[in-house]
Amino acid sequence: QKEVEQDPGPLSVPEGAIVSLNCTYSNSAFQYFMWYRQYSRKGPELLMYTYSSGNKEDGRFTAQVDKSSKYISLFIRDSQPSDSATYLCAMSEDFNKFYFGSGTKLNVKP
Amino acid sequence: GAVVSQHPSRVICKSGTSVKIECRSLDFQATTMFWYRQFPKQSLMLMATSNEGSKATYEQGVEKDKFLINHASLTLSTLTVTSAHPEDSSFYICSAASPSGGYTFGSGTRLTVV
Repeated sequence: QKEVEQDPGPLSVPEGAIVSLNCTYSNSAFQYFMWYRQYSRKGPELLMYTYSSGNKEDGRFTAQVDKSSKYISLFIRDSQPSDSATYLCAMSEDFNKFYFGSGTKLNVKP
Repeated sequence: GAVVSQHPSRVICKSGTSVKIECRSLDFQATTMFWYRQFPKQSLMLMATSNEGSKATYEQGVEKDKFLINHASLTLSTLTVTSAHPEDSSFYICSAASPSGGYTFGSGTRLTVV
């Protein structure tokens, strides 16, 4: 079983929709949770970073961590075509070793 | 599922020495692998794209003579940091395009140059 599971998609939504991206994991010791956005031919850029459980909001993006269910989510409100990219989750116990999801490809249609 | 194994997970070396990091696809063939570098709490930075049997493609600003990449087989890519300096201390991660879609990442190598 992989440490981190993420549906590769693709996920196609109309502009303005609320997007929900998710990852599940198996290691209850993970404490650091990150979401990256990767455009084609570019390196992933860090979008959100959360420690332990709870929610974190940044503009149109909200990250949620549910440690009891070993489930994390990234919500994108009022999605835009420029949000079309691959979204990767990553997590770590101690910020030394990271485990990545395989990425979900998102397409926001105008 | 597709697994990428990266070794070592942590290495400390003396300034001026070289360090080799291995990235191995365990259950699939990876014609292309990617090498990233991450500074603390910053985004991953793509360093180079490693293609099996040919020269790696380096991103702008990455010294190809300092960061030697070899992709000699369909399951193994190596990154050698030559004549390492303290400023090379960082977190290096490899990834490969997974047959099932998306990317599979190694777990990373923490390099400390003293």
